[in-house]
Amino acid sequence: DTGVSQNPRHKITKRGQNVTFRCDPISEHNRLYWYRQTLGQGPEFLTYFQNEAQLEKSRLLSDRFSAERPKGSFSTLEIQRTEQGDSAMYLCASSLDGAGGYEQYFGPGTRLTVT
Amino acid sequence: AQSVTQPDIHITVSEGASLELRCNYSYGATPYLFWYVQSPGQGLQLLLKYFSGDTLVQGIKGFEAEFKRSQSSFNLRKPSVHWSDAAEYFCAVGPGYSSASKIIFGSGTRLSIRP
Repeated sequence: DTGVSQNPRHKITKRGQNVTFRCDPISEHNRLYWYRQTLGQGPEFLTYFQNEAQLEKSRLLSDRFSAERPKGSFSTLEIQRTEQGDSAMYLCASSLDGAGGYEQYFGPGTRLTVT
Repeated sequence: AQSVTQPDIHITVSEGASLELRCNYSYGATPYLFWYVQSPGQGLQLLLKYFSGDTLVQGIKGFEAEFKRSQSSFNLRKPSVHWSDAAEYFCAVGPGYSSASKIIFGSGTRLSIRP
C-alpha cells in the first residue's frame, strides 16, 4: 500500500450540481478524516470516522454535505447543490489507533472548482 | 478555544542559511504537536511530532522542533536550508488523549529560498 489515495484529483462543476469524492485510506487504518483547505489557509476539519461510525462533524459541514464510510474501508464525501463557496481542496487522511499518537497520513486532495 | 498561530505568513531565506518558523498554540490540556509540509500539488507530509518526553524532537529532512510549555510554542528549525525546502509549512495541534480526533492547523508559513 502506497498511501492514502483520492479521486478525482480535480473536479470542475457548475453551481447547483452534486459532486462526490472518494478516499481510499491506508489499508489497516481504522480512522478516516476529511478536511477542507482554501487558498492561503491551513486545512480545516470537516468530519471523521472510526471504522464505519461517523464520530464527529464540524459546524462547517452544512446539510448539503454528507460523508459515508461503508464497511469501514473507503469513504465518500458528497456535496449537493454546490455553491461557489465550496471551491476548495478537499483532503482525506487516515490513522491507526495505537501507541503512535494517531499520526494522520494525508492524501493528495481533490481540488473542487465551482463555476 | 483551541488554536494555532503561525505569525509569519511568508519568509524568505538564503540557501544555506538557518531557518526558524514560529508556532504558538492554545490548548487546554497536554497537546500533541505536529509540523507538516505541503509542496505545490502535493499532499501534506509529516515532518515531525511531539507527544511526550524529550522536548527537542528530530524529524525528517534535517528539521527539528522544540516544545516550550511555558511559552506555548513549538518552533521549527533547520540549520541549513536547501532550495528544495521551499514549500508551505503548517503547525498543528491535536488532543493528547486516547480518543484523538481532529487536528487543528495554523494558517501556514510559506518559505521561499533565495539562491
